[in-house]
Amino acid sequence: GQQVMQIPQYQHVQEGEDFTTYCNSSTTLSNIQWYKQRPGGHPVFLIQLVKSGEVKKQKRLTFQFGEAKKNSSLHITATQTTDVGTYFCAGHGSSNTGKLIFGQGTTLQVKP
Amino acid sequence: GAGVSQSPSNKVTEKGKDVELRCDPISGHTALYWYRQSLGQGLEFLIYFQGNSAPDKSGLPSDRFSAERTGGSVSTLTIQRTQQEDSAVYLCASSWDRALGEQYFGPGTRLTVT
Repeated sequence: GQQVMQIPQYQHVQEGEDFTTYCNSSTTLSNIQWYKQRPGGHPVFLIQLVKSGEVKKQKRLTFQFGEAKKNSSLHITATQTTDVGTYFCAGHGSSNTGKLIFGQGTTLQVKP
Repeated sequence: GAGVSQSPSNKVTEKGKDVELRCDPISGHTALYWYRQSLGQGLEFLIYFQGNSAPDKSGLPSDRFSAERTGGSVSTLTIQRTQQEDSAVYLCASSWDRALGEQYFGPGTRLTVT
C-alpha cells in the first residue's frame, strides 16, 4: 500500500538556524499537504501543493513539491522558539479516493 | 459551528468495556476522518466518510472497531471490548472536499484503558 516516509524523525536546532524536513512517497501523489502539531495540541493545516515542481512560501517557511510528485520538503529559515512542534506531511494517492496518508512527522526542538 | 468538536475529551475505561467517541464536524463539511495517535507517534488512519457512507474502512485495526455517521454530520467511533493497546488519542477531522480540501482537526479524545 501507499506509504509516506519523513526524515528526520527529530531535529534539535539553535534558535536562528535553518531546518528542513523531507517527505517521500512510495507512489505518485495527487497533492501534498503539510500540518503542524504543537505539543499537546492537534494538527493544524499549513499548506497544500498540487502542481509538479510547485514552490510556495509562507514568511520563513518554504514548501516544495517534487517534479515527480513523489517527494516534498519544508524548509524553515532562521528558526524561532515558536516553530517548536511536529511537522507532518500528508498525501492523497494519484487515484485520490479521499484517503490522506500521513508521514510519521518530524519533531522540531529549538533551543533559545 | 466554529470548529470540529469531540467528546469526551478524556475517557478512562476498564479493559473489556465498550466506549463511544463522538465527533461533530464543521457544518457543511462532507468528508470526515478518524485517526489514532499513540504517544509521540504519527497519525494512523482509521476510517473515512463521504457523507454517510464509508468508502474506506481499511484502517480499522480489528472488528472491535466500528464507526457510523448520520445525517451527513455527527460521527461516532465505537470500540468494543477495549484492550490496553487501544489507549491513544483519537482524532477526528473534517474537510469540505475529500480530494483537495485541507483537514480541520478536533481536539481529540484521550482514551486510557486500565
